[in-house]
Amino acid sequence: DTGVSQNPRHKITKRGQNVTFRCDPISEHNRLYWYRQTLGQGPEFLTYFQNEAQLEKSRLLSDRFSAERPKGSFSTLEIQRTEQGDSAMYLCASSRGRTGEMETQYFGPGTRLLVL
Amino acid sequence: RKEVEQDPGPFNVPEGATVAFNCTYSNSASQSFFWYRQDCRKEPKLLMSVYSSGNEDGRFTAQLNRASQYISLLIRDSKLSDSATYLCVVMGAYSGAGSYQLTFGKGTKLSVIP
Repeated sequence: DTGVSQNPRHKITKRGQNVTFRCDPISEHNRLYWYRQTLGQGPEFLTYFQNEAQLEKSRLLSDRFSAERPKGSFSTLEIQRTEQGDSAMYLCASSRGRTGEMETQYFGPGTRLLVL
Repeated sequence: RKEVEQDPGPFNVPEGATVAFNCTYSNSASQSFFWYRQDCRKEPKLLMSVYSSGNEDGRFTAQLNRASQYISLLIRDSKLSDSATYLCVVMGAYSGAGSYQLTFGKGTKLSVIP
């Protein structure tokens, strides 16, 4: 399977704990995106990377959230001091990012977070 | 006004019916448009990109009207397997050209009934 992969698929944590999610994009895709989806809503953009550079951040990304893509391949999303409102599906997507091409984002299966 | 708005649904249609989904977007500088499909508790999957000239893929037809800032998806001869949530998606809905973030509508749930 050469699609986007995410780990873990499910995470249950207690309020106040830190959690970290990992995303492995499709090989050779140089753009990587994080989105969050809550029940009954469409996904909402959080942030995106072009290679290792973080180029856009949503106002949804509070200072408790941090994302990295240190070598321009996999990415991690960390949430510190989790709150119940952080409970959601966290989706990662990647795209080729080639000039002149239609930009198509392919999504991973997501990490479902439940904060108790 | 929300950046991307869709029919709230749900749509319950019999097999073989034709169903149309509509969507409007607020930023006239938005650059690219898509329809994604999402099955229950799964990730969104690209159904089709939407081009200004309109495009068709089998039973699916997508149209874009930039002047009205309106996007549509038509499904003909609907199948049971078409049951899913259909998400209208706009690239550059906030910042226009040069932004790669996708903005999703809330989605419209379609149930195709035998």
